Amino acid sequence: GAVVSQHPSWVICKSGTSVKIECRSLDFQATTMFWYRQFPKQSLMLMATSNEGSKATYEQGVEKDKFLINHASLTLSTLTVTSAHPEDSSFYICSARVKGQGWNTEAFFGQGTRLTVV
Amino acid sequence: QKEVEQNSGPLSVPEGAIASLNCTYSDRGSQSFFWYRQYSGKSPELIMSIYSNGDKEDGRFTAQLNKASQYVSLLIRDSQPSDSATYLCAVNQGSGTYKYIFGTGTRLKVLA
Repeated sequence: GAVVSQHPSWVICKSGTSVKIECRSLDFQATTMFWYRQFPKQSLMLMATSNEGSKATYEQGVEKDKFLINHASLTLSTLTVTSAHPEDSSFYICSARVKGQGWNTEAFFGQGTRLTVV
Repeated sequence: QKEVEQNSGPLSVPEGAIASLNCTYSDRGSQSFFWYRQYSGKSPELIMSIYSNGDKEDGRFTAQLNKASQYVSLLIRDSQPSDSATYLCAVNQGSGTYKYIFGTGTRLKVLA
């Protein structure tokens, strides 16, 4: 149980285009999903917290107009990188907590999306 | 700035030895702590969670928490080459919040 599926696993796009990444909880409902970015040899940096049916909460320094997050249902959140540039190339990972479980319980991670902007 | 700190390593141990990984955190209000393992190019996977002071054992893994000293550690007994990975410490920021802060991770190498 508690499987989070992320799609695509990798994507290459041209500079200036937009890319959408999906994060689905397959066997549970997720009230809250998180989006992280990880550069090589660095830790996970939280970009935003996505709550079903409401606007995402972005971390300081993350451009909300560039990284559009939509959490339309209890099992799906999407991250769209708009007007991507080479510096946006990174490993993007989503995670989700099971609805109804406490705020201090573990989150489950998707397999990540390797984005390369050329 | 709330921080979680780990030695980046690499920590090299021979096969069969005990690997000891440490993590310190700055927010005294933190209440839940997690260890994740991340293989290169892959997403993190949960190894252990710990919420109370003391030790928690799960197979070859033991998590230790000392809230007074603000550190949490992970011991891996009988280390195997397949344990070679980066180990991330994650700390929940405090009551009522769902957010984690991750440490930079410790790279472990188990030598066959």
